[in-house]
Amino acid sequence: QQQVKQSPQSLIVQKGGIPIINCAYENTAFDYFPWYQQFPGKGPALLIAIRPDVSEKKEGRFTISFNKSAKQFSLHIMDSQPGDSATYFCAAGQGGAQKLVFGQGTRLTINP
Amino acid sequence: GAVVSQHPSRVICKSGTSVKIECRSLDFQATTMFWYRQFPKQSLMLMATSNEGSKATYEQGVEKDKFLINHASLTLSTLTVTSAHPEDSSFYICSALDRVGTNEKLFFGSGTQLSVL
Repeated sequence: QQQVKQSPQSLIVQKGGIPIINCAYENTAFDYFPWYQQFPGKGPALLIAIRPDVSEKKEGRFTISFNKSAKQFSLHIMDSQPGDSATYFCAAGQGGAQKLVFGQGTRLTINP
Repeated sequence: GAVVSQHPSRVICKSGTSVKIECRSLDFQATTMFWYRQFPKQSLMLMATSNEGSKATYEQGVEKDKFLINHASLTLSTLTVTSAHPEDSSFYICSALDRVGTNEKLFFGSGTQLSVL
């Protein structure tokens, strides 16, 4: 019940395309859903986060869509660029950002 | 966003030696820090929660005597891998919780690649 399932495992998109990464959770007590971006050999960097009281949040080219009834949330990257190539992790937390449960990660490649 | 500094970024050591990794919150105070382990192409595995001024809380299956955690100040937590062995080779990442009012965000260090020969 504590798992967060992330898909796809890997994704290749042409520059300018809109990659979409999906996550699903079981624990309805989760109330904080962040996305992290990780480059090789570096720690994850917080991209954007959402709470279940909203269905969508945008920050720059990154958008989170949240479906509370389906217990799913997704990350969309608009106008993707080769520099966006990285591994993306979704996560879920209960009562805030403490003890986040991470998804399995998605290796995203944006081709020029 | 807030900055978390982790040092060293890479360490190579001989089997049987101990290695200390430092995690500092540079522009905020963090009463709570976390330590993770990450294997290649895998997700982050939470090892322990470090609370300033108290004992760390370890996740199931993590040996507390092997992975010593000290959180002596509001800006510094350390992880010491004692008597390291090749199977301890991994990427270790710390994170720090930044609380502003009721808003919490988790920021990560840049990680430490440990290689035990």
